[in-house]
Amino acid sequence: AQSVSQHNHHVILSEAASLELGCNYSYGGTVNLFWYVQYPGQHLQLLLKYFSGDPLVKGIKGFEAEFIKSKFSFNLRKPSVQWSDTAEYFCAAYYGNNRLAFGKGNQVVVIP
Amino acid sequence: EAGVAQSPRYKIIEKRQSVAFWCNPISGHATLYWYQQILGQGPKLLIQFQNNGVVDDSQLPKDRFSAERLKGVDSTLKIQPAKLEDSAVYLCASSLGPARLNYGYTFGSGTRLTVV
Repeated sequence: AQSVSQHNHHVILSEAASLELGCNYSYGGTVNLFWYVQYPGQHLQLLLKYFSGDPLVKGIKGFEAEFIKSKFSFNLRKPSVQWSDTAEYFCAAYYGNNRLAFGKGNQVVVIP
Repeated sequence: EAGVAQSPRYKIIEKRQSVAFWCNPISGHATLYWYQQILGQGPKLLIQFQNNGVVDDSQLPKDRFSAERLKGVDSTLKIQPAKLEDSAVYLCASSLGPARLNYGYTFGSGTRLTVV
Protein backbone atom coordinates (compact mmCIF):
# COMPACT_ATOMS: atom_id res chain seq x y z
CA ALA A 1 0.00 0.00 0.00
CA GLN A 2 1.17 3.53 -0.68
CA SER A 3 2.18 5.05 2.62
CA VAL A 4 4.31 7.69 4.27
CA SER A 5 6.27 7.15 7.47
CA GLN A 6 7.45 9.80 9.87
CA HIS A 7 9.48 8.95 12.94
CA ASN A 8 10.06 10.63 16.29
CA HIS A 9 6.54 11.95 16.60
CA HIS A 10 7.49 14.38 19.38
CA VAL A 11 10.59 16.56 19.04
CA ILE A 12 11.69 19.09 21.65
CA LEU A 13 14.67 21.34 21.03
CA SER A 14 16.09 24.70 21.98
CA GLU A 15 16.21 27.80 19.83
CA ALA A 16 19.16 27.90 17.40
CA ALA A 17 19.38 24.11 17.37
CA SER A 18 19.24 22.31 14.04
CA LEU A 19 16.16 20.33 13.08
CA GLU A 20 15.86 17.31 10.87
CA LEU A 21 12.63 15.39 10.42
CA GLY A 22 12.67 12.07 8.63
CA CYS A 23 10.16 11.04 5.97
CA ASN A 24 10.08 7.77 4.08
CA TYR A 25 7.56 6.89 1.41
CA SER A 26 6.66 3.55 -0.06
CA TYR A 27 7.67 2.77 -3.63
CA GLY A 28 5.00 3.60 -6.18
CA GLY A 29 6.71 4.77 -9.34
CA THR A 30 6.65 8.50 -9.93
CA VAL A 31 5.85 10.30 -6.74
CA ASN A 32 5.48 13.95 -5.80
CA LEU A 33 6.50 14.89 -2.27
CA PHE A 34 5.40 17.63 0.07
CA TRP A 35 6.00 18.99 3.54
CA TYR A 36 3.15 20.79 5.25
CA VAL A 37 3.22 22.72 8.52
CA GLN A 38 0.36 23.36 10.92
CA TYR A 39 0.96 26.09 13.48
CA PRO A 40 -1.16 25.99 16.64
CA GLY A 41 -4.73 26.92 15.81
CA GLN A 42 -4.01 27.42 12.13
CA HIS A 43 -4.61 25.51 8.93
CA LEU A 44 -2.17 23.31 7.07
CA GLN A 45 0.28 25.31 4.97
CA LEU A 46 2.65 24.13 2.28
CA LEU A 47 6.31 24.42 3.29
CA LEU A 48 7.86 22.98 0.16
CA LYS A 49 7.35 20.42 -2.57
CA TYR A 50 9.35 18.22 -4.90
CA PHE A 51 8.19 17.20 -8.35
CA SER A 52 11.41 16.77 -10.33
CA GLY A 53 14.81 18.33 -10.92
CA ASP A 54 17.19 19.42 -8.18
CA PRO A 55 16.69 16.99 -5.28
CA LEU A 56 17.49 19.72 -2.75
CA VAL A 57 14.37 21.80 -2.40
CA LYS A 58 14.20 25.10 -0.58
CA GLY A 59 10.95 26.21 0.98
CA ILE A 60 9.61 29.03 3.05
CA LYS A 61 10.96 30.17 6.42
CA GLY A 62 14.42 28.71 5.89
CA PHE A 63 13.32 25.10 5.51
CA GLU A 64 14.78 22.73 2.96
CA ALA A 65 14.29 19.09 2.09
CA GLU A 66 16.37 16.57 0.23
CA PHE A 67 14.89 13.90 -2.02
CA ILE A 68 16.99 10.74 -1.97
CA LYS A 69 15.45 8.31 -4.41
CA SER A 70 17.60 5.34 -3.40
CA LYS A 71 16.45 5.67 0.19
CA PHE A 72 12.81 6.60 -0.59
CA SER A 73 13.35 9.56 1.71
CA PHE A 74 12.43 13.23 1.75
CA ASN A 75 13.85 14.61 4.99
CA LEU A 76 13.11 18.12 6.17
CA ARG A 77 15.85 20.31 7.65
CA LYS A 78 16.35 23.71 9.17
CA PRO A 79 19.81 24.75 10.37
CA SER A 80 18.65 27.00 13.21
CA VAL A 81 15.11 26.87 14.58
CA GLN A 82 13.17 29.64 16.24
CA TRP A 83 10.44 29.55 18.85
CA SER A 84 7.96 30.38 16.07
CA ASP A 85 8.77 27.05 14.39
CA THR A 86 6.75 25.27 17.08
CA ALA A 87 4.19 23.40 15.02
CA GLU A 88 3.19 20.04 13.63
CA TYR A 89 4.92 18.99 10.44
CA PHE A 90 3.44 16.54 7.94
CA CYS A 91 5.15 14.80 5.07
CA ALA A 92 2.89 13.82 2.17
CA ALA A 93 3.24 11.92 -1.08
CA TYR A 94 1.16 11.97 -4.23
CA TYR A 95 1.28 8.82 -6.33
CA GLY A 96 -0.88 10.02 -9.18
CA ASN A 97 -4.03 8.28 -7.99
CA ASN A 98 -5.81 11.47 -6.94
CA ARG A 99 -4.86 10.82 -3.33
CA LEU A 100 -2.37 12.68 -1.17
CA ALA A 101 -1.03 10.26 1.46
CA PHE A 102 0.06 11.90 4.70
CA GLY A 103 2.40 10.70 7.41
CA LYS A 104 1.33 10.82 11.04
CA GLY A 105 3.16 14.08 11.64
CA ASN A 106 5.94 15.37 13.88
CA GLN A 107 5.01 17.58 16.81
CA VAL A 108 7.93 20.01 17.18
CA VAL A 109 8.30 22.19 20.27
CA VAL A 110 11.03 24.83 20.30
CA ILE A 111 12.01 26.08 23.75
CA PRO A 112 13.09 29.73 23.88
CA GLU B 1 -6.74 35.78 -2.23
CA ALA B 2 -9.34 34.56 0.20
CA GLY B 3 -8.66 31.17 1.69
CA VAL B 4 -10.78 28.07 1.97
CA ALA B 5 -13.65 28.82 4.33
CA GLN B 6 -15.10 26.18 6.63
CA SER B 7 -17.84 26.26 9.21
CA PRO B 8 -18.45 25.65 11.97
CA ARG B 9 -15.03 25.72 13.65
CA TYR B 10 -16.14 23.47 16.48
CA LYS B 11 -19.03 21.08 17.00
CA ILE B 12 -19.94 18.83 19.89
CA ILE B 13 -22.71 16.29 19.41
CA GLU B 14 -23.95 13.13 21.05
CA LYS B 15 -23.47 9.78 19.36
CA ARG B 16 -26.22 8.83 16.95
CA GLN B 17 -26.94 12.48 16.17
CA SER B 18 -26.31 13.95 12.74
CA VAL B 19 -23.98 16.78 11.82
CA ALA B 20 -23.06 18.72 8.69
CA PHE B 21 -19.99 20.69 7.73
CA TRP B 22 -19.71 23.34 5.06
CA CYS B 23 -16.82 24.32 2.83
CA ASN B 24 -16.37 27.21 0.41
CA PRO B 25 -13.23 26.69 -1.71
CA ILE B 26 -11.07 29.34 -3.29
CA SER B 27 -12.79 30.92 -6.24
CA GLY B 28 -11.99 29.11 -9.45
CA HIS B 29 -10.66 25.97 -7.79
CA ALA B 30 -12.21 23.05 -9.58
CA THR B 31 -10.97 20.33 -7.25
CA LEU B 32 -12.26 20.01 -3.70
CA TYR B 33 -11.21 17.52 -1.04
CA TRP B 34 -12.53 16.47 2.34
CA TYR B 35 -10.01 14.99 4.76
CA GLN B 36 -10.46 13.46 8.21
CA GLN B 37 -7.66 14.04 10.72
CA ILE B 38 -7.90 11.95 13.85
CA LEU B 39 -5.77 13.08 16.78
CA GLY B 40 -2.23 11.76 16.44
CA GLN B 41 -2.63 10.83 12.79
CA GLY B 42 -2.15 12.51 9.45
CA PRO B 43 -5.09 13.64 7.35
CA LYS B 44 -6.90 10.88 5.45
CA LEU B 45 -8.76 11.62 2.23
CA LEU B 46 -12.50 10.98 2.47
CA ILE B 47 -13.71 12.28 -0.87
CA GLN B 48 -12.48 14.28 -3.85
CA PHE B 49 -14.65 16.29 -6.22
CA GLN B 50 -13.72 17.58 -9.65
CA ASN B 51 -16.25 20.36 -10.25
CA ASN B 52 -19.49 18.71 -9.10
CA GLY B 53 -18.46 15.14 -9.88
CA VAL B 54 -16.95 12.64 -7.45
CA VAL B 55 -13.45 11.51 -8.43
CA ASP B 56 -12.57 9.37 -5.42
CA ASP B 57 -14.75 8.34 -2.50
CA SER B 58 -13.19 4.96 -1.84
CA GLN B 59 -12.31 5.84 1.77
CA LEU B 60 -15.64 7.43 2.63
CA PRO B 61 -17.72 5.33 5.07
CA LYS B 62 -20.80 5.53 2.91
CA ASP B 63 -23.12 3.93 5.44
CA ARG B 64 -22.94 7.09 7.53
CA PHE B 65 -21.02 9.74 5.61
CA SER B 66 -22.24 11.65 2.58
CA ALA B 67 -20.96 14.67 0.69
CA GLU B 68 -22.17 16.80 -2.14
CA ARG B 69 -21.01 19.67 -4.28
CA LEU B 70 -24.13 20.42 -6.27
CA LYS B 71 -23.09 23.54 -8.17
CA GLY B 72 -19.38 22.78 -8.34
CA VAL B 73 -18.53 25.41 -5.73
CA ASP B 74 -19.56 24.94 -2.09
CA SER B 75 -19.61 21.52 -0.54
CA THR B 76 -21.21 19.92 2.48
CA LEU B 77 -20.11 16.81 4.36
CA LYS B 78 -22.69 15.04 6.52
CA ILE B 79 -22.42 12.33 9.14
CA GLN B 80 -25.58 10.47 10.13
CA PRO B 81 -25.55 8.87 12.64
CA ALA B 82 -22.30 9.89 14.31
CA LYS B 83 -20.15 7.46 16.26
CA LEU B 84 -17.57 8.16 18.96
CA GLU B 85 -14.76 7.27 16.54
CA ASP B 86 -15.84 10.08 14.21
CA SER B 87 -14.31 12.58 16.62
CA ALA B 88 -11.70 14.31 14.48
CA VAL B 89 -10.87 17.47 12.59
CA TYR B 90 -12.53 17.58 9.18
CA LEU B 91 -10.44 19.49 6.70
CA CYS B 92 -11.53 20.89 3.38
CA ALA B 93 -8.95 21.68 0.73
CA SER B 94 -9.13 22.95 -2.82
CA SER B 95 -6.83 23.21 -5.80
CA LEU B 96 -6.93 24.41 -9.38
CA GLY B 97 -6.49 20.86 -10.56
CA PRO B 98 -5.16 17.47 -9.56
CA ALA B 99 -1.90 17.50 -7.57
CA ARG B 100 -0.04 15.66 -10.31
CA LEU B 101 -0.20 18.79 -12.44
CA ASN B 102 1.84 20.79 -9.91
CA TYR B 103 -1.19 22.49 -8.43
CA GLY B 104 -0.85 22.88 -4.70
CA TYR B 105 -3.56 22.32 -2.20
CA THR B 106 -4.96 25.11 0.00
CA PHE B 107 -6.45 23.86 3.24
CA GLY B 108 -9.18 25.40 5.34
CA SER B 109 -8.89 25.74 9.13
CA GLY B 110 -11.02 22.67 9.66
CA THR B 111 -14.00 21.75 11.80
CA ARG B 112 -13.19 20.02 15.07
CA LEU B 113 -15.92 17.47 15.81
CA THR B 114 -16.29 15.90 19.23
CA VAL B 115 -18.77 13.06 19.58
CA VAL B 116 -19.75 12.28 23.17
